[in-house]
Amino acid sequence: DAGVTQSPTHLIKTRGQQVTLRCSPKSGHDTVSWYQQALGQGPQFIFQYYEEEERQRGNFPDRFSGHQFPNYSSELNVNALWLGDSALYLCASSLVENYYNEQFFGPGTRLTVL
Amino acid sequence: AQTVTQSQPEMSVQEAETVTLSCTYDTSESDYYLFWYKQPPSRQMILVIRQEAYKQQNATENRFSVNFQKAAKSFSLKISDSQLGDAAMYFCAYASRDDKIIFGKGTRLHILP
Repeated sequence: DAGVTQSPTHLIKTRGQQVTLRCSPKSGHDTVSWYQQALGQGPQFIFQYYEEEERQRGNFPDRFSGHQFPNYSSELNVNALWLGDSALYLCASSLVENYYNEQFFGPGTRLTVL
Repeated sequence: AQTVTQSQPEMSVQEAETVTLSCTYDTSESDYYLFWYKQPPSRQMILVIRQEAYKQQNATENRFSVNFQKAAKSFSLKISDSQLGDAAMYFCAYASRDDKIIFGKGTRLHILP
């Protein structure tokens, strides 16, 4: 089992551009959560997807959107990038009924906005 | 709004010694979960230990144990017999039922050989 995988590993964009990050959950998991981790900070919850619907959302602007596919993989899209979006973006997967027992995290995508 | 505070940005401990990481949180809920996550350098975040607020007994996982003080809203992590592999960022986290998980800013733990 490959666990949670994310792509790409690193990404460099310029202000105003758009970016798509991808996440494949651990085998058997149906729920994907996305977090933004700025340098020196703890992860901040962006949103969670279950059954292809956004189930919960954190305090992030509409520039942040997502999608979950029938195979449970997920994408995070960020439009109109600005410098403050530079961060490590983490994806975590779980079973919806097991969310508070354990989430499995991916290695993250390091996004740099210039 | 719920908040999680880790007042120790960095800590060091001698190998084989015991260290305690502090965490306080603020909530008006009575039913919630508390977690300690470990993020090693350039490696994936993993769950170390979790506690359900309705359980009075402190959770333990091998060398890791917590001191959960519900009235004081305190949730500290004790690592016994510290090992070099314990070096990492440790995040305290909180979640009320059916709500998102909120993380603290973390404590970087150094293990001195």
